Amino acid sequence: GENVEQHPSTLSVQEGDSAVIKCTYSDSASNYFPWYKQELGKRPQLIIDIRSNVGEKKDQRIAVTLNKTAKHFSLHITETQPEDSAVYFCAASSGTSGSRLTFGEGTQLTVNP
Amino acid sequence: KAGVTQTPRYLIKTRGQQVTLSCSPISGHRSVSWYQQTPGQGLQFLFEYFSETQRNKGNFPGRFSGRQFSNSRSEMNVSTLELGDSALYLCASSLSASGNTGELFFGEGSRLTVL
Repeated sequence: GENVEQHPSTLSVQEGDSAVIKCTYSDSASNYFPWYKQELGKRPQLIIDIRSNVGEKKDQRIAVTLNKTAKHFSLHITETQPEDSAVYFCAASSGTSGSRLTFGEGTQLTVNP
Repeated sequence: KAGVTQTPRYLIKTRGQQVTLSCSPISGHRSVSWYQQTPGQGLQFLFEYFSETQRNKGNFPGRFSGRQFSNSRSEMNVSTLELGDSALYLCASSLSASGNTGELFFGEGSRLTVL
């Protein structure tokens, strides 16, 4: 089955700096890669996703890049703000497996004012 | 539009007991999936139901089961509880009509503590 590894497990940055979280996956059939943000005590929420037919996607300060050959994808947050502090999860699925996502173990991002 | 609603939010059980958790999806969403979240383990997929049928199943023992009703509401049951079943159980709904993976909308979760 699919295996997703996520690094780093914790990341601390200064406000205004950029943050990068990286994930690798094992199943070459995976073609859907979402990122979820979970604030303390809250539910996970989708912040951005990418499908394998594109290499990069941006949404304001957030971008995701995908390298299918190397089987890795990354989340980039620019101009970080304290409200970006949360746990970020990457995930992968084959795209036709319904709601079955394989998640990474999460990255605790702390943005220091 | 109301979000995904899970009940109960918190519960405490003892080893050997069973528990039933409930999930009401967003109106119009026919796919309901369940995930177990524990510290350091991320989110682990339990199962997914679509139109009252189990469409996918994760790698959990048979003590974990679920079902979906005609109104798309779903329940999951854990029998013969073990200490390791202590976790946050998250329900998520999505449109996912054709089986293509799309955005999951999570509930707040049911936090189960097994003593």
